[in-house]
Amino acid sequence: SQQGEEDPQALSIQEGENATMNCSYKTSINNLQWYRQNSGRGLVHLILIRSNEREKHSGRLRVTLDTSKKSSSLLITASRAADTASYFCATAPIAQGAQKLVFGQGTRLTINP
Amino acid sequence: GAVVSQHPSWVICKSGTSVKIECRSLDFQATTMFWYRQFPKQSLMLMATSNEGSKATYEQGVEKDKFLINHASLTLSTLTVTSAHPEDSSFYICSVFTGAGTEAFFGQGTRLTVV
Repeated sequence: SQQGEEDPQALSIQEGENATMNCSYKTSINNLQWYRQNSGRGLVHLILIRSNEREKHSGRLRVTLDTSKKSSSLLITASRAADTASYFCATAPIAQGAQKLVFGQGTRLTINP
Repeated sequence: GAVVSQHPSWVICKSGTSVKIECRSLDFQATTMFWYRQFPKQSLMLMATSNEGSKATYEQGVEKDKFLINHASLTLSTLTVTSAHPEDSSFYICSVFTGAGTEAFFGQGTRLTVV
């Protein structure tokens, strides 16, 4: 069942600005992952944060996880036009063996040049 | 990681016909593959878990007789949409895990249009 909620649903910013997307979930998880999807394409894995981690960095990406609030955020710094895509958080519920992914609704990010 | 290839990338079929979509794990032997469906501007919904050598496990609300899944080898799972109708038009994506608690690797997706 769908359990992730993301906000905003759509975000439009100027190139060079930072973009922040938020994700909330409902059940206990093994990890939370963020994926990017360009229009009409498959998903590309960005970053995975485990339930015992609070923050993780990868290049221009910064992810936080607050298990007490069941929420996560993805920050993209110094955005580029090529970052235009949809971004999805996905959780791996412990109850489902941490292999099934449950996706959030997604945030459509548009970077304006 | 794993490289996952889907075929075809897009297909148009007539109502009432069946369409087969292939998902291949090119460099990883996958005992389990996952099939998702995505409607325009919506999220991915898990349809079923494909298990090598055994029956697929379908999510609630997904008709197993309409969406036939076969996982005959460790590198290939197929999804057949039988008696397709326009409401089956969607983006179908498969994925593979290389281990529990790891990231998933996705195929490039198949855009199905039923006319």
